Amino acid sequence: AQSVTQLDSQVPVFEEAPVELRCNYSSSVSVYLFWYVQYPNQGLQLLLKYLSGSTLVKGINGFEAEFNKSQTSFHLRKPSVHISDTAEYFCAVSVSGGSQGNLIFGKGTKLSVKP
Amino acid sequence: NAGVTQTPKFQVLKTGQSMTLQCAQDMNHNSMYWYRQDPGMGLRLIYYSASEGTTDKGEVPNGYNVSRLNKREFSLRLESAAPSQTSVYFCASRGGDRGNQPQHFGDGTRLSIL
Repeated sequence: AQSVTQLDSQVPVFEEAPVELRCNYSSSVSVYLFWYVQYPNQGLQLLLKYLSGSTLVKGINGFEAEFNKSQTSFHLRKPSVHISDTAEYFCAVSVSGGSQGNLIFGKGTKLSVKP
Repeated sequence: NAGVTQTPKFQVLKTGQSMTLQCAQDMNHNSMYWYRQDPGMGLRLIYYSASEGTTDKGEVPNGYNVSRLNKREFSLRLESAAPSQTSVYFCASRGGDRGNQPQHFGDGTRLSIL
């Protein structure tokens, strides 16, 4: 079975500072990896995904993530955050080759950007 | 660009009442999902439908039923609502037949049960 651990439930950061949101996963088979963002009172929106190939993945809004197979991690980074990045971020995995595409989500990290 | 549409957006029920949450997608996706989101718990899968005519239980199916009415619509029913079912419910859909396609989410239904 797969599982996802987001190591920080809350991350406060000042505007224009860099940020890293950590995600580790556990799986005995190959997985696809996703980061979603949820703004207040909205649904989840895809930020980026890792399927195969280059381990550095670029997404929307200046975010990027790096897949590290040996450390089973998929940390999300942004070099300079804005107030508008305040949201909850979810890491998720699905089984590579699985026909159902079911996602296993982490419990989320709330990013709070302060002026 | 409607994507995934959920109705209603908000609802308050009394314990024991029944209700159906509606979900429709206009992306011609085969797979559809129902999740609940509770503080500090992330999203947990209630039921899913890999294709029209099929439904399967997810992680937390107790107290819920679903119907895949057609390719577009996937409803979630609470037969006898309980306070423990107070939550935000999200519907999602996914195209293709492999896990490499992302899921697309609706804006959620905020349900309170008194």
